This record gives sequence, structure tokens and C-alpha cells, in this order.
Amino acid sequence: DVKVTQSSRYLVKRTGEKVFLECVQDMDHENMFWYRQDPGLGLRLIYFSYDVKMKEKGDIPEGYSVSREKKERFSLILESASTNQTSMYLCASNPSLAKNIQYFGAGTRLSVL
Amino acid sequence: EDQVTQSPEALRLQEGESSSLNCSYTVSGLRGLFWYRQDPGKGPEFLFTLYSAGEEKEKERLKATLTKKESFLHITAPKPEDSATYLCAVQAPNTDKLIFGTGTRLQVFP
Repeated sequence: DVKVTQSSRYLVKRTGEKVFLECVQDMDHENMFWYRQDPGLGLRLIYFSYDVKMKEKGDIPEGYSVSREKKERFSLILESASTNQTSMYLCASNPSLAKNIQYFGAGTRLSVL
Repeated sequence: EDQVTQSPEALRLQEGESSSLNCSYTVSGLRGLFWYRQDPGKGPEFLFTLYSAGEEKEKERLKATLTKKESFLHITAPKPEDSATYLCAVQAPNTDKLIFGTGTRLQVFP
């Protein structure tokens, strides 16, 4: 079974803090993705990575950055958290873009106060 | 603009009462349509991929079908454990991204 693990299920941070969300997959997948999920808006892609040290912007990259130093790990960084970044964050991976079945982690619910 | 619309937003069924969820899309040159199930507080779980009009896939009480403009997820004789949000996503040509709908929240009552 594919396993995508997100380091925290719940996080509470203060406005202006730097926040790191970590994601690890154990299936040697090439591609990894970060989404946020908000009621009524569905899943929106923040960033994705198709190789180590490679990244591409998704639909809503503003206020976020990412890091992929190792194949199995993809980190999402909020440089200066704001209240409008309160959301559910979901990480996903897939083996290749030709077979775009994405496998998701359990999610991190982030509250920024 | 590529778009995915799911209906209804919410659906309440009695156990055993069959129904269908709809996913309509506007994308030229569909590369794939994906159905996911999401339980509260969890990440989406992959169910099906469909690639061309006329294709059908089945898994237990679920059956997904695809036309050139929409996909249906048919639920036959549902049970309370089928209660979840069902998400639809499409992949357009020349993109590696999935475009998700906002989901249908299904509740099945005993």
C-alpha cells in the first residue's frame, strides 16, 4: 500500500510565524503535490514537484514556498503565516505523470490566530 | 477555462435507496477523469480512473461511467458506511495538474 505521511494532523500558529508542513511518501514516487482544501472551493493546487529540487507553481502559490531536497520528502513553507491561510492542507504523490493517480496523506488542519 | 462541477452538493439516502452523483466537466481533450472518496478529517482515497467515453468501472456498490461531457457515480443499494464526500477530478492535455470539483456529500441512513 502507498503511504503518504503528513507530520502533523493539527497545528495552531500565530500570525507572522514561519510554518513548516512536512510530507513523506514511501513508494519512491517521482511527483509530489501540495493542496489546500476549503469549504465550497474544493482542492486547490499550491505547488508540485516532479523531481528532487524541482518545483512548479500551482494555482495559488502566493504566500507559500516549497522544498524537495530528497525524493521522499516534500515540505510546504508559510514564510509569514496569515489568518487567510487557515485551512486543511493535503499532500499527495504519484508514480509518474503518465499515470496520474494521486495518493493523499491524511491532511494537516492549520489554524492561524 | 477548464472546469469541473459536481451535483448535487449534498445527498441524503435511505439504506438500500440507489442513486447517482454527477460530475460535469468542460475540458478539451480529456486525459483522465478521477473519482475519490473522502471521509471527514481524512485525505481523499482513490476510487476510479476513466479515460474515454463509454468506459465503465465498478467496485462493490459503486459504478463509474463516462461520457464526453460528464461522469456519473452510481451507488447501488448503499449502506451507511458509504457515507462520505465523493470528489471528481479531471486532467486536461498539456497539463500535469488535476482540477477538482467541490464534491458531493453523501449521507446514508439506516
